[in-house]
Amino acid sequence: SQTIHQWPATLVQPVGSPLSLECTVEGTSNPNLYWYRQAAGRGLQLLFYSVGIGQISSEVPQNLSASRPQDRQFILSSKKLLLSDSGFYLCAWSVGTWGTGELFFGEGSRLTVL
Amino acid sequence: AQSVTQLGSHVSVSEGALVLLRCNYSSSVPPYLFWYVQYPNQGLQLLLKYTTGATLVKGINGFEAEFKKSETSFHLTKPSAHMSDAAEYFCAVSGNSNYQLIWGAGTKLIIKP
Repeated sequence: SQTIHQWPATLVQPVGSPLSLECTVEGTSNPNLYWYRQAAGRGLQLLFYSVGIGQISSEVPQNLSASRPQDRQFILSSKKLLLSDSGFYLCAWSVGTWGTGELFFGEGSRLTVL
Repeated sequence: AQSVTQLGSHVSVSEGALVLLRCNYSSSVPPYLFWYVQYPNQGLQLLLKYTTGATLVKGINGFEAEFKKSETSFHLTKPSAHMSDAAEYFCAVSGNSNYQLIWGAGTKLIIKP
């Protein structure tokens, strides 16, 4: 069966520090991978998605970046965190089309920037 | 532009009462429709989805939703609320690509004992 792992689960970082959140998927090949951010009371915001190794699409301009070094690994990074980067970050994956598939989410990483 | 509206950021019902969470969407093409549930400090989990065929869709945990094209709605219901249903519920519709879902802002369901 497919599983998705996301870490770290909780992170407290000072403003200006770097960030690296990692996500790996098991049990499927060539998934579409996504990074979402969930700010308090603001629903889900798609940050990045990837349809293959090295292929990253950015949905929202920001000081975050994403990379996909391997088929089932997706990394969210920042060189210098801002206060506004605080939130709950969710990695997700899908295969196929929405008619036949769905989004599967990780457990999330809560980032607090102080 | 496509959009999803969930009426009520918070809905409170008594245990055993009917749960009704509203979702309306705007889309220029027939969409695929989803309801997801999020328990505190966890990721989202699919409750149910509509693709084609029967407009009444049954999901996990006793939830169901009905697709009404004429009303552009996909409301989520459950006949009898349990304390364990307390969570945040998100409605989503397919966007213009296989990689895009349009999300509602979410509705927090509160169950009163």
